[in-house]
Amino acid sequence: SQQGEEDPQALSIQEGENATMNCSYKTSINNLQWYRQNSGRGLVHLILIRSNEREKHSGRLRVTLDTSKKSSSLLITASRAADTASYFCATDRRTGGGNKLTFGTGTQLKVEL
Amino acid sequence: GAGVSQSPSNKVTEKGKDVELRCDPISGHTALYWYRQSLGQGLEFLIYFQGNSAPDKSGLPSDRFSAERTGGSVSTLTIQRTQQEDSAVYLCASSQDRGQPQHFGDGTRLSIL
Repeated sequence: SQQGEEDPQALSIQEGENATMNCSYKTSINNLQWYRQNSGRGLVHLILIRSNEREKHSGRLRVTLDTSKKSSSLLITASRAADTASYFCATDRRTGGGNKLTFGTGTQLKVEL
Repeated sequence: GAGVSQSPSNKVTEKGKDVELRCDPISGHTALYWYRQSLGQGLEFLIYFQGNSAPDKSGLPSDRFSAERTGGSVSTLTIQRTQQEDSAVYLCASSQDRGQPQHFGDGTRLSIL
């Protein structure tokens, strides 16, 4: 199975509600990043949390990291229709040859009006 | 340019033909990455460049795949003797340095008939 698995695979909520997505991984990491992808587009970096950090905020986004459980969560508060996209977590495991991001399969979020 | 640029945006070709995909990273970004994304899936790492050298080629699926980067800037991904299973979106990303957030292009959608 993959390093970086998101849960749930799909999430449908009403505008104004909060959306929570979870990510689990298997090996030790340097940092964990969350990305967003709109249909047919590339990925957009949202937030990076380092292995020695437990929580980070950016606007309506809140990310937590629990290295003992090898898990992270992304919370989007007061969701908007424009938040509809796929969200991916990616783990950065620096190797001898360079860093490599390993992506999960993503959570598809749909925010309905 | 302001972002990562990839060309062509779409490519349809016959099985057995060679294809060349181009990535123009953000100016000054030393690290460049190629990923492959199959329909509804996460990203599969292919290769990482630091400057013009490729410290990590571990994700290239076969010897039909090769990539180069010249002048610390533009990169090309070449697929020889294409197969139907090569059909996917090929995404390029760049970052200021290893370990930094990655900036993605919109990808090349490759279809092998």
